[in-house]
Amino acid sequence: DQQVKQNSPSLSVQEGRISILNCDYTNSMFDYFLWYKKYPAEGPTFLISISSIKDKNEDGRFTVFLNKSAKHLSLHIVPSQPGDSAVYFCAASGSGGGADGLTFGKGTHLIIQP
Amino acid sequence: GAGVSQSPSNKVTEKGKDVELRCDPISGHTALYWYRQSLGQGLEFLIYFQGNSAPDKSGLPSDRFSAERTGGSVSTLTIQRTQQEDSAVYLCASSPMAVAGWRETQYFGPGTRLLVL
Repeated sequence: DQQVKQNSPSLSVQEGRISILNCDYTNSMFDYFLWYKKYPAEGPTFLISISSIKDKNEDGRFTVFLNKSAKHLSLHIVPSQPGDSAVYFCAASGSGGGADGLTFGKGTHLIIQP
Repeated sequence: GAGVSQSPSNKVTEKGKDVELRCDPISGHTALYWYRQSLGQGLEFLIYFQGNSAPDKSGLPSDRFSAERTGGSVSTLTIQRTQQEDSAVYLCASSPMAVAGWRETQYFGPGTRLLVL
């Protein structure tokens, strides 16, 4: 039973446009959410996070939105650049303390087209 | 500074053999995590260490899997009598400290690609 779902395996966006990656979760105990970016043959790289006490967090071109009532979060990248092409993983953390493992979605492969 | 490192980067083994995977966390990081990613899947949490102790081992897939950490630094993940379904990328991550209620970012290594023939 997947607790974190990324329903789009892939997404193609034109360079300069906005990329929107979506993530849904089912466990209401999750209170911290992260986005990771992964290139082939590399480990995931942390991008941005959000606590459940917020509904938006922004860092440069990256903004994460959290809708707790809908159990939905999204990552916006604007403007999209060729180097953004990668697999993006949504991850969530529960209330087991700071050391609990992250629960990941299966990832969305973002392709930025020139 | 140096990130999380893992060795070997690739491992091919025969079914039934034992393998040992190594993780060197970021210096000073207290918490260490093991995950695996099977083909087409997301990352699956296996186990974490707070210092040298692993409070919860229930995420390990079977009793063929074990992990240890010594000196609060290097960790090894051992898979005994490997099976073909163990083929995956095994990822290690670390974070500065693990305090109840405190949320931290986990920093990942490049992974070990294990193929069991």
